[in-house]
Amino acid sequence: DAKTTQPPSMDCAEGRAANLPCNHSTISGNEYVYWYRQIHSQGPQYIIHGLKNNETNEMASLIITEDRKSSTLILPHATLRDTAVYYCIVGGGSEKLVFGKGTKLTVNP
Amino acid sequence: GAVVSQHPSWVICKSGTSVKIECRSLDFQATTMFWYRQFPKQSLMLMATSNEGSKATYEQGVEKDKFLINHASLTLSTLTVTSAHPEDSSFYICSANRINEKLFFGSGTQLSVL
Repeated sequence: DAKTTQPPSMDCAEGRAANLPCNHSTISGNEYVYWYRQIHSQGPQYIIHGLKNNETNEMASLIITEDRKSSTLILPHATLRDTAVYYCIVGGGSEKLVFGKGTKLTVNP
Repeated sequence: GAVVSQHPSWVICKSGTSVKIECRSLDFQATTMFWYRQFPKQSLMLMATSNEGSKATYEQGVEKDKFLINHASLTLSTLTVTSAHPEDSSFYICSANRINEKLFFGSGTQLSVL
């Protein structure tokens, strides 16, 4: 079973920040938080991951709470092409990843 | 660029035939690859873990004789759907990772069984 809980859907205006929450209250000490997204009929695309520190790359920022029980993915300036299903997953470095239902993000013009 | 290549992208076959899907790691060796299946409007479901040089490990409820997995080299895993039926129509996705790195996913294979 997936170890994460995400809202099923969210909307965001183009150009605004999209903040996608994820709860992972049973995360263990050596498990990472991964974010992937999937655009229709394509394989999942890696976005970002982290262990306990906040992370930022060219695509997004990841904010992990101090107790590591939840995190937020931030897309700073959402575009229409960011419309996708976003998956938050917890897992070890080389282990299989179990997907939950994800959040369907719709970016509106 | 893509680091995991999956082929074919889509396939249509007649009921009762077998279909082979290939998954290749392009610039790294992958001792482990993972196969997922996704039905419309649903999430990815892990089917099996493909281990180079040994038998695959199947998730509960996945028929190993139906979905044959071969991982004969460090860069290639194949999934064969044997005696395919319409209910096997789905989007199949493979993934692989470099040691201690994140998973990379293939672009997926849409299988339609008539």
